[in-house]
Amino acid sequence: DSGVTQTPKHLITATGQRVTLRCSPRSGDLSVYWYQQSLDQGLQFLIQYYNGEERAKGNILERFSAQQFPDLHSELNLSSLELGDSALYFCASSLGTGVRQTQYFGPGTRLLVL
Amino acid sequence: AQKITQTQPGMFVQEKEAVTLDCTYDTSDPSYGLFWYKQPSSGEMIFLIYQGSYDQQNATEGRYSLNFQKARKSANLVISASQLGDSAMYFCAMREDYGGATNKLIFGTGTLLAVQP
Repeated sequence: DSGVTQTPKHLITATGQRVTLRCSPRSGDLSVYWYQQSLDQGLQFLIQYYNGEERAKGNILERFSAQQFPDLHSELNLSSLELGDSALYFCASSLGTGVRQTQYFGPGTRLLVL
Repeated sequence: AQKITQTQPGMFVQEKEAVTLDCTYDTSDPSYGLFWYKQPSSGEMIFLIYQGSYDQQNATEGRYSLNFQKARKSANLVISASQLGDSAMYFCAMREDYGGATNKLIFGTGTLLAVQP
């Protein structure tokens, strides 16, 4: 158990819908990352927050947005869903932002868009 | 551009034998970190081992060791005394130091390891 929690574990929805994925980082970790794992794209970085502020953006679609709240939990919002958004979405957390900081991953949310 | 290459899509190893999973990387940043993660069939990503670009010694964590060859830009994972529970997908990842601005991980495509009894 990494200490990072994600809910829900599974999500099935229809095209055009909007969903919210939730992540609670390990106790004491200030940095939260979101990654998407799909068969065709592999593991890709989406976005990073540090202590409530956006720190970096990766290959995140405009239909997707995220935020980190004062209690440090984070939410990833996916809207106008398409079939290609079906993937495993990971949240990871680390204590800080240094290059040596290990990112610990949550169990992931498996999203299926029908 | 930063890149991680894992050339072995899949590998077999006999139980109790050692196995090496290959990883090469490309970066122009002198400060970077290399990570290995394990992803069993259940899907979670489990951190295994870390190697910093300035670390003088190869990293070791229990049965896992990292064969770090900086000049060749390779960071191979060695698993000693393989166990059936080691059967999983293994990912090599790299993080560059943008002065602390970001710490995104760049992942390779993974190697699927099957341990045979």
